[in-house]
Amino acid sequence: DGGITQSPKYLFRKEGQNVTLSCEQNLNHDAMYWYRQDPGQGLRLIYYSQIVNDFQKGDIAEGYSVSREKKESFPLTVTSAQKNPTAFYLCASWTGAGNTIYFGEGSWLTVV
Amino acid sequence: RKEVEQDPGPFNVPEGATVAFNCTYSNSASQSFFWYRQDCRKEPKLLMSVYSSGNEDGRFTAQLNRASQYISLLIRDSKLSDSATYLCVVNVYNQGGKLIFGQGTELSVKP
Repeated sequence: DGGITQSPKYLFRKEGQNVTLSCEQNLNHDAMYWYRQDPGQGLRLIYYSQIVNDFQKGDIAEGYSVSREKKESFPLTVTSAQKNPTAFYLCASWTGAGNTIYFGEGSWLTVV
Repeated sequence: RKEVEQDPGPFNVPEGATVAFNCTYSNSASQSFFWYRQDCRKEPKLLMSVYSSGNEDGRFTAQLNRASQYISLLIRDSKLSDSATYLCVVNVYNQGGKLIFGQGTELSVKP
């Protein structure tokens, strides 16, 4: 079955360390997205990509970086510059107007 | 002004009640609209896409008003299992396919 796989599901990071969250999809979707969700809040867009080797900043891109070297993969790196990285991170993919947005199961990142 | 805004919650309603949520969007170039449901600590799940003509799925009805730039979701005969956070999602066509979520409206259905 097609879908999106995020890993790891739970991750603990020491302050000052970079960490990379994986997002892989086998849906053949062009568009992929990363969101951050804090407790009791909605999803805020970090980065998105419409095609391979191209991506755009979302509303809260500072302290994050992404790459899109393959259509199937859109990893997110949370850098040490991100001041408050503890959150729930969601990856999504989409094929365009009228179609369902697919989500991974999410990754919980905790800074210790 | 936020690009997508939802009714602030939470909504606490008894079983069997009818409840309506609204969501406004600021960019007139917005093209696709969705309602997603999110249970605590889980990924969002599609509830309904929202079409210009409006659409209904069982107890759920979604409407789009382009002139006033809002979408709505109506839930009839609320069930305990409807308790969740409801997220509206808007695709901004002229911003390279940006998908923007509202902050969510929490619904709690009580016996």
